[in-house]
Amino acid sequence: EAGVAQSPRYKIIEKRQSVAFWCNPISGHATLYWYQQILGQGPKLLIQFQNNGVVDDSQLPKDRFSAERLKGVDSTLKIQPAKLEDSAVYLCASSLLAGSPYEQYFGPGTRLTVT
Amino acid sequence: AQKVTQAQTEISVVEKEDVTLDCVYETRDTTYYLFWYKQPPSGELVFLIRRNSFDEQNEISGRYSWNFQKSTSSFNFTITASQVVDSAVYFCTYGGGSEKLVFGKGTKLTVNP
Repeated sequence: EAGVAQSPRYKIIEKRQSVAFWCNPISGHATLYWYQQILGQGPKLLIQFQNNGVVDDSQLPKDRFSAERLKGVDSTLKIQPAKLEDSAVYLCASSLLAGSPYEQYFGPGTRLTVT
Repeated sequence: AQKVTQAQTEISVVEKEDVTLDCVYETRDTTYYLFWYKQPPSGELVFLIRRNSFDEQNEISGRYSWNFQKSTSSFNFTITASQVVDSAVYFCTYGGGSEKLVFGKGTKLTVNP
């Protein structure tokens, strides 16, 4: 079974530029999550989708971050404009079931460096 | 708000030593779940175990074992006879009423040959 796919793996941009990350969850997984992991810290949830609807985006900086999950499958996370403090690894995860904290399966992440 | 504390930032052991990673959590939920995830140098988080708050039985899986004690709000993880491949950052994680996971800051384990 294929795992969670993410691209690109690495991205370097200058501050105030825009960037987009893509995620394709495990086939059949209805729930998709985007996390931000700053160096030396645990992942922090940015947004959670159930199919193509948003369940939780309380920690998403909506003035610059946006995410969508059209058709309830793959998802895109965008940052516009980027700030230096956005340098982090952006992790996508998916889980099969909803309604309870079930195990989540993570992709390899996208390492973003903002200069 | 729920909180997960992993007091050990870094641990270094020699291969074949046993090592225990500590995790303490704070919650007012009556039903909750605890997880451990492993993040090797490649960066991908790997699910290791999920326990719910009603099941305090210890669990063993090969060289891995977990000790869940509600009385002390702890969910510790022991690796027996550590190997170099166990080198990674380990995250203790809490899941409460919502599906949201709260991660600790992680413990970096280095196993030296």
